[in-house]
Amino acid sequence: EAQVTQNPRYLITVTGKKLTVTCSQNMNHEYMSWYRQDPGLGLRQIYYSMNVEVTDKGDVPEGYKVSRKEKRNFPLILESPSPNQTSLYFCASRAGTGAEEQYFGPGTRLTVT
Amino acid sequence: AQKVTQAQTEISVVEKEDVTLDCVYETRDTTYYLFWYKQPPSGELVFLIRRNSFDEQNEISGRYSWNFQKSTSSFNFTITASQVVDSAVYFCALSEFTGGFKTIFGAGTRLFVKA
Repeated sequence: EAQVTQNPRYLITVTGKKLTVTCSQNMNHEYMSWYRQDPGLGLRQIYYSMNVEVTDKGDVPEGYKVSRKEKRNFPLILESPSPNQTSLYFCASRAGTGAEEQYFGPGTRLTVT
Repeated sequence: AQKVTQAQTEISVVEKEDVTLDCVYETRDTTYYLFWYKQPPSGELVFLIRRNSFDEQNEISGRYSWNFQKSTSSFNFTITASQVVDSAVYFCALSEFTGGFKTIFGAGTRLFVKA
């Protein structure tokens, strides 16, 4: 089954404690992306990757890091989480041409206290 | 710069009513794609439709229809004879050729369909 998986689905952590949210896709997609969803703001792109070892900032990259060492994986790293990073996070992938729709993971709800 | 505006924050209708969700976009590109996604209460994001900038033909899929008008930069979504299962947040999104087809989402419209 074609899918995007994220782990964990729920995470409560404290300010400053480094965390990683994993994302994996099994569709051999070149393009992967991370979004955060906040009430009234829709989905905002954090980082995206056009291919292995190619990443770029989205609209709200501050406080986040990513890496793309393998085509299927695109982890999101919060080196020092802060309460304003409390949000619902989605990983997505699509084929590389840009015209296709994105496939989304189930979401990770992160709470930083 | 690209922008997507969904002016309707929340809409509430009674089952079997028709409802239209508005989407207005801004772009300087001539090549772009428009999308609608549905987010039901369970939280996942589901793709509904894609439209490219060279195809203004309207589309109908069952009770769903989409009206794309470049003259008004709008890509509106109509649900005919709404059902309770249509209750969800609906997002309109835009991908431009410039910048590698980065996708911008609107803020979403939350639709409540009451029985």
